[in-house]
Amino acid sequence: GQQVQQSPASLVLQEGENAELQCNFSSTATRLQWFYQHPGGRLVSLFYNPSGTKHTGRLTSTTVTNERRSSLHISSSQTTDSGTYFCAPNQGGSAKLIFGEGTKLTVSS
Amino acid sequence: DTTVKQNPRYKLARVGKPVNLICSQTMNHDTMYWYQKKPNQAPKLLLFYYDKILNREADTFEKFQSSRPNNSFCSLYIGSAGLEYSAMYLCASSRLGPSYEQYFGPGTRLTVL
Repeated sequence: GQQVQQSPASLVLQEGENAELQCNFSSTATRLQWFYQHPGGRLVSLFYNPSGTKHTGRLTSTTVTNERRSSLHISSSQTTDSGTYFCAPNQGGSAKLIFGEGTKLTVSS
Repeated sequence: DTTVKQNPRYKLARVGKPVNLICSQTMNHDTMYWYQKKPNQAPKLLLFYYDKILNREADTFEKFQSSRPNNSFCSLYIGSAGLEYSAMYLCASSRLGPSYEQYFGPGTRLTVL
């Protein structure tokens, strides 16, 4: 089955620094989403990005499909970016998303 | 509107008692999912409905039931709650197909005492 590795497991930054989160997965994916988990537990979809590069605000997601990897770049981090970020590719062509263990980001002022 | 709604938002249950969680979406999505999320763990898929066809994960097959009376609603049922069921339960929906985004609801936080 699909195996997902996210790195780093945790990251501590000073406000204003950039963050680079990595996601590597073991088999072909036709879906891939990046999620942010609010402190209260809600999952918010940041990007649906099975291939290529997408931008929204200070966030950029790049997925290289044939290399089975994706990244999430956060520029000029803010304290409100603190939380856990999950990468979730699907398994083969199925509807099932496989979540990585997440990267816990802490941004201090 | 890409809203997925869940009720209740918080649920307190006693060990051995049943629990029923509700999810709804108005996007006419044909697929609805239930995930379990525990602190410091990845979300874990429990089951999903494609139209009226239920697919349950092998390792949670006997622990959770679900029903989908119509396209918009889906429930998650626990017949006899145990302490290990305490978690956040997340509902999501999407269109079926190789390249459709899943939209998540706010979750129901279940605490079993």
